[in-house]
Amino acid sequence: QVKLVESGGDLVKPGGSLRLSCAASGITFSAYYMSWIRQTPERGLEWVGYVSGSGDTTGYADSVKGRFTISRDNAKSLLYLQMNSLRAEDAAIYYCARRSVYFDFWGRGTKVTVSS
Amino acid sequence: EIVLTQSPGTLSLSPGERATLSCRASQSVSGNYLAWYQQKPGQAPRLLISGASNRAGGIPDRFSGSGSETDFTLTISRLEPEDFAVYFCQQYGSSRTFGQGTKVEIK
Repeated sequence: QVKLVESGGDLVKPGGSLRLSCAASGITFSAYYMSWIRQTPERGLEWVGYVSGSGDTTGYADSVKGRFTISRDNAKSLLYLQMNSLRAEDAAIYYCARRSVYFDFWGRGTKVTVSS
Repeated sequence: EIVLTQSPGTLSLSPGERATLSCRASQSVSGNYLAWYQQKPGQAPRLLISGASNRAGGIPDRFSGSGSETDFTLTISRLEPEDFAVYFCQQYGSSRTFGQGTKVEIK
């Protein structure tokens, strides 16, 4: 069955960087757009961005554009989220999910804390 | 940005009862591109409905979605114990935004 497992969440200082990973199994990974979505109690669910199956097309929410980069390694069935210039408001649980418009499978999430 | 407003915030019902959840958009959702998700504590959201009314694979037929343009509804015909959870709507007609959620709790 489809399984998505995120990792890499940590405590990071404002202005710092972090890379999240998502390991996929049970799917033909390269056939699917993949997305990152984050969730906080205060702001709820927020779409972060997506990457095409080949990796050559990406799209981002305005709130992260220019700071976050989504990439993938299809040979390893891995999805990445590189987060730079982190702000307090980026603290959240980050989920990877299959597809880019609606999201039909989600991982369990990884927690990012931004604090000095 | 399309803002989705869900109501009520909390719905207190008993097993076997019917649940009706509302999702209202600040502007028309093109193509009726609206999805519904269920989330239980400590778990990721689970897709229930896409395209306003199309059940995802493996979703029981007691879940149904309806609506168009700015007004959408998720109906659970008879609540089972495992249905008590938080439900979110999400539009994908213009970028992607989520509603704030409706909690369905046991009365």
